[in-house]
Amino acid sequence: DGGITQSPKYLFRKEGQNVTLSCEQNLNHDAMYWYRQDPGQGLRLIYYSQIVNDFQKGDIAEGYSVSREKKESFPLTVTSAQKNPTAFYLCASSIEWDGLYEQYFGPGTRLTVT
Amino acid sequence: GNSVTQMEGPVTLSEEAFLTINCTYTATGYPSLFWYVQYPGEGLQLLLKATKADDKGSNKGFEATYRKETTSFHLEKGSVQVSDSAVYFCALKYHTSGTYKYIFGTGTRLKVLA
Repeated sequence: DGGITQSPKYLFRKEGQNVTLSCEQNLNHDAMYWYRQDPGQGLRLIYYSQIVNDFQKGDIAEGYSVSREKKESFPLTVTSAQKNPTAFYLCASSIEWDGLYEQYFGPGTRLTVT
Repeated sequence: GNSVTQMEGPVTLSEEAFLTINCTYTATGYPSLFWYVQYPGEGLQLLLKATKADDKGSNKGFEATYRKETTSFHLEKGSVQVSDSAVYFCALKYHTSGTYKYIFGTGTRLKVLA
């Protein structure tokens, strides 16, 4: 079955530590995205990647970093510079960046930083 | 600027009641419109979509019609079930300045009581 996997489902970290969230897709999609979701709010875009070895900042990129070395993988690192990192993180992909296609979402990772 | 506005929740209905969740948008050009559903602790799943004016998207008994004259994409279902309890997100994708952007609404929580 094709899809997007995110691991782990729950992640706990101490304040001041960097943490990397995994996102893998086997849909052969070119574009991948990272969103943050806070209670009662919509999705906010952190980073996106249109193609391998290329990525762009979204609306709330500060304190986050990404890489896109392989088409199927788009890991997100939450750094200690992120002031309020506790949230639900969603990874998504779409067939192409250039087109009015829908996004497919992974199951999400809930990060708790104490 | 471009935006998506959804009715605030929660919406609480009895089983077999009629559902309407309002969504209106502001966007330049000709966006595609989407409804996504999110069950507790999970990622978003595409429910239905419409890519041009007067298109009707439908899936699992849910429907929404792309109304350009009223800039709306209201979600409807004739008879809801307890299993429809979830958060519903309206979203649009539009083209601007040589790139594509997604905007998500803040979500509407639906609770269906047996």
